[in-house]
Amino acid sequence: KQEVTQIPAALSVPEGENLVLNCSFTDSAIYNLQWFRQDPGKGLTSLLLIQSSQREQTSGRLNASLDKSSGRSTLYIAASQPGDSATYLCAALRSNDYKLSFGAGTTVTVRA
Amino acid sequence: DAGVTQSPTHLIKTRGQQVTLRCSPKSGHDTVSWYQQALGQGPQFIFQYYEEEERQRGNFPDRFSGHQYPNYSSELNVNALLLGDSALYLCASSPSGTGDYGYTFGSGTRLTVV
Repeated sequence: KQEVTQIPAALSVPEGENLVLNCSFTDSAIYNLQWFRQDPGKGLTSLLLIQSSQREQTSGRLNASLDKSSGRSTLYIAASQPGDSATYLCAALRSNDYKLSFGAGTTVTVRA
Repeated sequence: DAGVTQSPTHLIKTRGQQVTLRCSPKSGHDTVSWYQQALGQGPQFIFQYYEEEERQRGNFPDRFSGHQYPNYSSELNVNALLLGDSALYLCASSPSGTGDYGYTFGSGTRLTVV
């Protein structure tokens, strides 16, 4: 069974600071890992998808790394803005599986 | 290009009743998955439909059932509702029957059981 953990559960930073969000998973036989953003009471917005053969993916101010051997992924958000305030979830897809295993998320607050 | 569409957005039901939630996948996607998200937790996998058949199921009782139509749209049915079924229900779609290209999620249906 795949267990996904996200630490910290919550984070509060001043505007402009860089954010580092951590995600760990117990089964390294993953097919890919996806990062999502969720605003309160809303659905999930996909941010980045990293295939198992990749080490990182970048989109604008977002960068995600993947280290399968250690069972970790990290999401970096540069120069945070108040609009980045949300809950960030990581989800791992195991090889030969069809379901995403989610962490409980990290709730980020960026103070103006 | 419409993404994943879910209806209704909110629903209030009484314990013991039955409910049907609907999902239209993103254009070009043929696979639909359903997830349940309790407050403060990550989404939990209910089941996935591909080619009109349930392909994989999570740890949910038989009260949870589903269907996929030839146009790839899907329904989630929950019978004999319990207070603990109150949650955000999310639908996700993907192309080509696999997760190669990631999953696209809808905005969810908020179900409240009273």
